[in-house]
Amino acid sequence: DQQVKQNSPSLSVQEGRISILNCDYTNSMFDYFLWYKKYPAEGPTFLISISSIKDKNEDGRFTVFLNKSAKHLSLHIVPSQPGDSAVYFCAASDGGATNKLIFGTGTLLAVQP
Amino acid sequence: DAGITQSPRHKVTETGTPVTLRCHQTENHRYMYWYRQDPGHGLRLIHYSYGVKDTDKGEVSDGYSVSRSKTEDFLLTLESATSSQTSVYFCAISDYLLNQPQHFGDGTRLSIL
Repeated sequence: DQQVKQNSPSLSVQEGRISILNCDYTNSMFDYFLWYKKYPAEGPTFLISISSIKDKNEDGRFTVFLNKSAKHLSLHIVPSQPGDSAVYFCAASDGGATNKLIFGTGTLLAVQP
Repeated sequence: DAGITQSPRHKVTETGTPVTLRCHQTENHRYMYWYRQDPGHGLRLIHYSYGVKDTDKGEVSDGYSVSRSKTEDFLLTLESATSSQTSVYFCAISDYLLNQPQHFGDGTRLSIL
């Protein structure tokens, strides 16, 4: 039973345009959400997070939106750059003391020059 | 970058042999985690540790054991490797505060023939 779902395995966008990556979750106990970026042969790198008490968090070109009623979060990248081409994972935590995360299956983003 | 070193980075071994992967951190973080990454599954938690000698099972713990005798080292052991354990293994660490991101090592690619 997949508690965190990324239904788009891949996404292709033009350089300079907006990239929107989506993530859905089923567990209403999740209260902290994260996005990671992963290049081939490297470990995932933390990108941005959001607590359930917020509906938006912004860091430079990256913005995460959280819709708790729909159990949906999205990552917006504006403007997209070729260096953003990577696999993006969303992850969720129920706020437990051990900071355990449940990951989605990832979306491969390709930014075309 | 977080000070996390995984060793070895690559390993090829035969079915039935024991294998130990090492994760070493220099951040003095309390929590350490082992994940495996497989196509179509994202990252799945194998075991985690919340302190020296304190460990617990994750989502896919069958066939794996762990040990943590020092804050900085977390070992993952496959007692008798099987071909289904061919995967990329990632170690992660996080601080003891709630809602902290995990930071990952660069992974170990393990092939079991």
